Amino acid sequence: GQNIDQPTEMTATEGAIVQINCTYQTSGFNGLFWYQQHAGEAPTFLSYNVLDGLEEKGRFSSFLSRSKGYSYLLLKELQMKDSASYLCAVMDSNYQLIWGAGTKLIIKP
Amino acid sequence: ETGVTQTPRHLVMGMTNKKSLKCEQHLGHNAMYWYKQSAKKPLELMFVYNFKEQTENNSVPSRFSPECPNSSHLFLHLHTLQPEDSALYLCASKQGYENSPLHFGNGTRLTVT
Repeated sequence: GQNIDQPTEMTATEGAIVQINCTYQTSGFNGLFWYQQHAGEAPTFLSYNVLDGLEEKGRFSSFLSRSKGYSYLLLKELQMKDSASYLCAVMDSNYQLIWGAGTKLIIKP
Repeated sequence: ETGVTQTPRHLVMGMTNKKSLKCEQHLGHNAMYWYKQSAKKPLELMFVYNFKEQTENNSVPSRFSPECPNSSHLFLHLHTLQPEDSALYLCASKQGYENSPLHFGNGTRLTVT
């Protein structure tokens, strides 16, 4: 079957750096998405990776290794507003999105 | 108004009630989606519409009935629901190409009593 694994919850300190990992086993691969979801709000698109390597977008970066079935989202200079759930989703060979259960990130002052 | 709008934000209904969820997108997208989000579980795809035509129905019970009158509006009609149907129901839209990102509404928090 198809599977996406991410940690359920992580805690980090304001101003620090945190890395949220996502591993996947899917039928084919057509890209990986990261979304941010604040409590009670809509998931919002953060990044898309289809080639190996690091994509940087301000304080957020996303990394992909297709051979390892692995991605991470790196958040730098953490702010309190970064407290949210982070969802990893992989597009399989049929262009269907397979979702992880999300990682709840708690930022402490 | 921009983005994807869902109404109502919260809904409490009994198992014998009939209600509808509404979604409207102002982004000019061609595809619209219904997802179910339960605590600590992955998003579950329920229905997909492309150009108003239903292209996906992920084995969803018949007590959920979608309707897409045009490419901007999507409804989810609910009847004789079960308590396990309590969840956050998210609507999303996207452009036509496969790797375009989904744009989500804020969801309807449904509680079935």
